[in-house]
Amino acid sequence: DTGVSQDPRHKITKRGQNVTFRCDPISEHNRLYWYRQTLGQGPEFLTYFQNEAQLEKSRLLSDRFSAERPKGSFSTLEIQRTEQGDSAMYLCASSPRPGALNTEAFFGQGTRLTVV
Amino acid sequence: DAKTTQPPSMDCAEGRAANLPCNHSTISGNEYVYWYRQIHSQGPQYIIHGLKNNETNEMASLIITEDRKSSTLILPHATLRDTAVYYCIVSPLTNAGKSTFGDGTTLTVKP
Repeated sequence: DTGVSQDPRHKITKRGQNVTFRCDPISEHNRLYWYRQTLGQGPEFLTYFQNEAQLEKSRLLSDRFSAERPKGSFSTLEIQRTEQGDSAMYLCASSPRPGALNTEAFFGQGTRLTVV
Repeated sequence: DAKTTQPPSMDCAEGRAANLPCNHSTISGNEYVYWYRQIHSQGPQYIIHGLKNNETNEMASLIITEDRKSSTLILPHATLRDTAVYYCIVSPLTNAGKSTFGDGTTLTVKP
Protein backbone atom coordinates (compact mmCIF):
# COMPACT_ATOMS: atom_id res chain seq x y z
CA ASP A 1 0.00 0.00 0.00
CA THR A 2 1.54 3.29 -1.07
CA GLY A 3 -1.04 5.58 0.54
CA VAL A 4 -0.62 7.98 3.44
CA SER A 5 0.11 6.09 6.63
CA GLN A 6 -0.56 7.34 10.15
CA ASP A 7 0.52 5.84 13.43
CA PRO A 8 -0.97 5.10 15.86
CA ARG A 9 -4.57 4.72 14.73
CA HIS A 10 -5.86 5.23 18.26
CA LYS A 11 -4.34 6.85 21.33
CA ILE A 12 -5.80 7.19 24.81
CA THR A 13 -3.88 9.41 27.16
CA LYS A 14 -4.33 11.06 30.50
CA ARG A 15 -4.75 14.78 30.72
CA GLY A 16 -1.42 16.52 31.04
CA GLN A 17 0.58 13.88 29.19
CA ASN A 18 2.45 14.50 25.95
CA VAL A 19 1.59 12.58 22.79
CA THR A 20 3.27 12.29 19.40
CA PHE A 21 1.74 11.14 16.14
CA ARG A 22 3.53 10.11 12.99
CA CYS A 23 2.55 10.53 9.34
CA ASP A 24 4.26 8.93 6.35
CA PRO A 25 3.13 10.64 3.14
CA ILE A 26 3.10 9.23 -0.36
CA SER A 27 6.76 9.08 -1.25
CA GLU A 28 6.81 11.42 -4.22
CA HIS A 29 4.62 14.07 -2.57
CA ASN A 30 6.50 17.09 -1.30
CA ARG A 31 3.56 18.73 0.51
CA LEU A 32 2.21 17.44 3.79
CA TYR A 33 -0.77 18.72 5.76
CA TRP A 34 -2.18 18.19 9.24
CA TYR A 35 -5.85 18.57 10.03
CA ARG A 36 -7.96 18.09 13.14
CA GLN A 37 -11.52 16.81 13.05
CA THR A 38 -13.99 16.74 15.91
CA LEU A 39 -17.16 14.68 15.89
CA GLY A 40 -19.79 15.90 13.45
CA GLN A 41 -17.61 18.56 11.89
CA GLY A 42 -15.42 18.79 8.83
CA PRO A 43 -11.61 18.69 9.07
CA GLU A 44 -9.90 21.88 10.23
CA PHE A 45 -6.54 22.85 8.76
CA LEU A 46 -3.66 23.00 11.26
CA THR A 47 -0.42 23.33 9.33
CA TYR A 48 1.43 22.33 6.19
CA PHE A 49 4.94 21.63 4.99
CA GLN A 50 6.62 21.88 1.66
CA ASN A 51 9.53 19.48 1.90
CA GLU A 52 11.01 20.20 5.37
CA ALA A 53 9.80 23.80 5.57
CA GLN A 54 6.70 24.55 7.62
CA LEU A 55 5.02 27.18 5.51
CA GLU A 56 1.81 27.94 7.36
CA LYS A 57 0.27 27.40 10.78
CA SER A 58 -3.35 27.91 11.69
CA ARG A 59 -4.40 29.90 14.74
CA LEU A 60 -5.78 26.57 15.98
CA LEU A 61 -2.21 25.39 16.46
CA SER A 62 -1.57 26.60 19.99
CA ASP A 63 1.90 26.71 21.51
CA ARG A 64 1.28 23.25 22.97
CA PHE A 65 1.29 21.85 19.45
CA SER A 66 4.42 21.39 17.37
CA ALA A 67 4.91 19.72 14.02
CA GLU A 68 8.11 18.73 12.29
CA ARG A 69 9.16 17.21 9.03
CA PRO A 70 12.91 16.97 9.53
CA LYS A 71 14.01 15.35 6.29
CA GLY A 72 11.10 16.26 4.10
CA SER A 73 9.70 12.77 4.35
CA PHE A 74 7.68 11.68 7.40
CA SER A 75 6.19 14.20 9.82
CA THR A 76 5.39 14.20 13.51
CA LEU A 77 2.75 16.15 15.40
CA GLU A 78 3.34 16.54 19.13
CA ILE A 79 0.83 17.78 21.66
CA GLN A 80 2.23 18.75 25.04
CA ARG A 81 0.23 18.84 28.27
CA THR A 82 -2.86 17.41 26.61
CA GLU A 83 -6.28 18.74 27.52
CA GLN A 84 -9.67 17.10 27.12
CA GLY A 85 -10.45 19.56 24.35
CA ASP A 86 -7.64 18.03 22.31
CA SER A 87 -9.69 14.87 21.87
CA ALA A 88 -10.24 14.59 18.13
CA MET A 89 -9.21 12.79 14.97
CA TYR A 90 -5.89 14.06 13.65
CA LEU A 91 -5.61 13.66 9.90
CA CYS A 92 -2.55 13.85 7.71
CA ALA A 93 -2.64 14.44 3.98
CA SER A 94 -0.08 14.80 1.23
CA SER A 95 -0.13 16.23 -2.26
CA PRO A 96 2.26 16.54 -5.17
CA ARG A 97 4.27 19.63 -5.92
CA PRO A 98 2.41 22.54 -7.54
CA GLY A 99 2.26 22.11 -11.26
CA ALA A 100 2.00 18.36 -11.10
CA LEU A 101 -0.62 16.71 -13.26
CA ASN A 102 -2.72 15.64 -10.30
CA THR A 103 -2.97 18.08 -7.43
CA GLU A 104 -5.51 16.57 -5.09
CA ALA A 105 -4.67 15.69 -1.52
CA PHE A 106 -4.53 12.13 -0.29
CA PHE A 107 -5.55 11.60 3.31
CA GLY A 108 -4.47 9.01 5.80
CA GLN A 109 -6.85 7.09 8.05
CA GLY A 110 -6.19 9.43 10.92
CA THR A 111 -5.16 9.07 14.55
CA ARG A 112 -8.02 9.22 17.01
CA LEU A 113 -6.92 10.84 20.27
CA THR A 114 -8.93 10.50 23.45
CA VAL A 115 -7.80 12.51 26.47
CA VAL A 116 -9.23 11.23 29.75
CA ASP B 1 -15.62 30.11 7.73
CA ALA B 2 -16.14 27.66 4.89
CA LYS B 3 -16.33 29.16 1.43
CA THR B 4 -19.03 26.71 0.38
CA THR B 5 -22.59 25.94 1.45
CA GLN B 6 -24.07 22.46 1.29
CA PRO B 7 -27.31 20.93 2.57
CA PRO B 8 -26.65 19.02 5.79
CA SER B 9 -28.24 15.77 4.64
CA MET B 10 -29.76 13.99 1.66
CA ASP B 11 -31.26 10.58 0.97
CA CYS B 12 -31.05 8.60 -2.24
CA ALA B 13 -32.48 5.27 -3.32
CA GLU B 14 -29.98 2.59 -4.24
CA GLY B 15 -29.41 2.45 -7.99
CA ARG B 16 -30.66 5.96 -8.57
CA ALA B 17 -28.56 9.02 -9.29
CA ALA B 18 -27.48 11.11 -6.32
CA ASN B 19 -27.21 14.84 -7.05
CA LEU B 20 -25.36 16.77 -4.36
CA PRO B 21 -25.48 20.58 -4.67
CA CYS B 22 -22.89 23.09 -3.49
CA ASN B 23 -22.93 26.87 -3.49
CA HIS B 24 -19.64 28.76 -3.76
CA SER B 25 -20.74 32.25 -4.70
CA THR B 26 -17.47 33.90 -3.62
CA ILE B 27 -15.19 31.61 -5.61
CA SER B 28 -12.12 33.32 -7.05
CA GLY B 29 -10.95 33.02 -10.62
CA ASN B 30 -8.01 30.79 -9.72
CA GLU B 31 -9.94 28.48 -7.41
CA TYR B 32 -11.03 25.02 -8.41
CA VAL B 33 -13.98 23.11 -7.02
CA TYR B 34 -12.93 19.89 -5.28
CA TRP B 35 -15.15 17.16 -3.92
CA TYR B 36 -14.11 14.67 -1.24
CA ARG B 37 -16.08 12.14 0.69
CA GLN B 38 -15.54 10.61 4.10
CA ILE B 39 -16.87 7.26 5.07
CA HIS B 40 -17.29 6.73 8.78
CA SER B 41 -14.00 6.54 10.70
CA GLN B 42 -11.85 6.91 7.58
CA GLY B 43 -9.92 9.82 6.12
CA PRO B 44 -11.46 11.92 3.34
CA GLN B 45 -11.18 10.46 -0.14
CA TYR B 46 -10.76 12.58 -3.26
CA ILE B 47 -13.56 12.26 -5.81
CA ILE B 48 -13.20 14.86 -8.53
CA HIS B 49 -12.31 18.48 -9.23
CA GLY B 50 -12.91 21.08 -11.91
CA LEU B 51 -12.45 24.73 -12.85
CA LYS B 52 -15.29 25.64 -15.17
CA ASN B 53 -15.91 22.74 -17.50
CA ASN B 54 -17.93 19.73 -16.55
CA GLU B 55 -15.81 16.80 -15.52
CA THR B 56 -16.37 13.07 -15.33
CA ASN B 57 -14.32 10.23 -13.97
CA GLU B 58 -14.95 6.67 -12.91
CA MET B 59 -16.48 7.77 -9.63
CA ALA B 60 -18.68 10.74 -10.46
CA SER B 61 -19.55 13.70 -12.64
CA LEU B 62 -19.11 17.34 -11.70
CA ILE B 63 -21.36 19.99 -13.21
CA ILE B 64 -20.26 23.60 -12.65
CA THR B 65 -22.58 26.45 -13.57
CA GLU B 66 -21.41 28.96 -16.13
CA ASP B 67 -21.01 31.69 -13.51
CA ARG B 68 -19.09 29.18 -11.33
CA LYS B 69 -21.14 30.12 -8.29
CA SER B 70 -22.49 26.63 -7.76
CA SER B 71 -21.85 23.04 -8.70
CA THR B 72 -23.44 19.61 -8.49
CA LEU B 73 -21.75 16.31 -7.85
CA ILE B 74 -23.53 13.43 -9.52
CA LEU B 75 -23.14 9.80 -8.49
CA PRO B 76 -24.88 8.11 -11.42
CA HIS B 77 -25.89 4.85 -9.76
CA ALA B 78 -25.64 5.19 -6.02
CA THR B 79 -24.86 2.09 -3.96
CA LEU B 80 -25.06 1.49 -0.23
CA ARG B 81 -21.28 1.95 -0.09
CA ASP B 82 -21.71 5.53 -1.26
CA THR B 83 -23.24 6.43 2.10
CA ALA B 84 -20.80 9.03 3.44
CA VAL B 85 -20.26 12.71 4.19
CA TYR B 86 -19.52 14.62 0.99
CA TYR B 87 -17.45 17.78 1.15
CA CYS B 88 -17.33 20.48 -1.50
CA ILE B 89 -14.38 22.83 -1.18
CA VAL B 90 -12.76 25.52 -3.28
CA SER B 91 -9.03 25.83 -3.47
CA PRO B 92 -6.36 27.09 -5.81
CA LEU B 93 -4.64 24.44 -7.84
CA THR B 94 -1.31 25.53 -6.39
CA ASN B 95 -2.24 24.47 -2.86
CA ALA B 96 -5.13 22.07 -3.17
CA GLY B 97 -4.24 20.31 0.06
CA LYS B 98 -4.84 23.37 2.22
CA SER B 99 -8.58 23.55 2.31
CA THR B 100 -11.40 24.98 4.37
CA PHE B 101 -13.90 22.20 4.89
CA GLY B 102 -17.45 22.94 5.92
CA ASP B 103 -19.65 20.34 7.56
CA GLY B 104 -20.52 18.67 4.26
CA THR B 105 -23.61 16.76 3.18
CA THR B 106 -24.39 13.43 4.77
CA LEU B 107 -25.67 11.24 1.95
CA THR B 108 -27.62 8.18 2.99
CA VAL B 109 -28.26 5.63 0.27
CA LYS B 110 -31.25 3.48 1.12
CA PRO B 111 -32.10 0.04 -0.25
